[in-house]
Amino acid sequence: DAKTTQPTSMDCAEGRAANLPCNHSTISGNEYVYWYRQIHSQGPQYIIHGLKNNETNEMASLIITEDRKSSTLILPHATLRDTAVYYCIVTGEYGNKLVFGAGTILRVKS
Amino acid sequence: DADVTQTPRNRITKTGKRIMLECSQTKGHDRMYWYRQDPGLGLRLIYYSFDVKDINKGEISDGYSVSRQAQAKFSLSLESAIPNQTALYFCATSDLQFSSTDTQYFGPGTRLTVL
Repeated sequence: DAKTTQPTSMDCAEGRAANLPCNHSTISGNEYVYWYRQIHSQGPQYIIHGLKNNETNEMASLIITEDRKSSTLILPHATLRDTAVYYCIVTGEYGNKLVFGAGTILRVKS
Repeated sequence: DADVTQTPRNRITKTGKRIMLECSQTKGHDRMYWYRQDPGLGLRLIYYSFDVKDINKGEISDGYSVSRQAQAKFSLSLESAIPNQTALYFCATSDLQFSSTDTQYFGPGTRLTVL
């Protein structure tokens, strides 16, 4: 599975869009990009995933570059409850082996 | 996710004791996983099971064993607990028939302290 690189931490103003980058330069053709988040010490929560195309759901949008070497998770209107550690994970089609790095600590501030 | 429950939620035990952590799910998923998380670090996979008859070791299986009693139940055992097994333990489930990819859904976690 490809390795990912994320910034250690980011701050975002409440109500603004939070843009969380992720580099995955060694991603292969059949590997997906997944995003999870973990609020305090709760169980990780699935956010979104994608292969090639940009994806959007009720929680977030995922923008994947054309060469697939990087992606950005967008929380369109961040709230204080979005403060969490965000994990970018690259895994195969049958992604049973989620490899969690350190993630990005997102702090949403009022 | 309320569909995945873990018991106990907190446990303090002593070195050398046998401990069992239990996971139950009502999602109807075939696949179940056990992870541990140490402070400030990401999750690491201990064991996973794709169905009742299938058990696989993960990244850090030494010192642990598992039992898949039914589709809905997956237990993790520490045969002889040691202090460096103090961690937060998470159970997760997934199923390809519900998704084209293997999205995992996590339980609330069990905080285990070994003295």
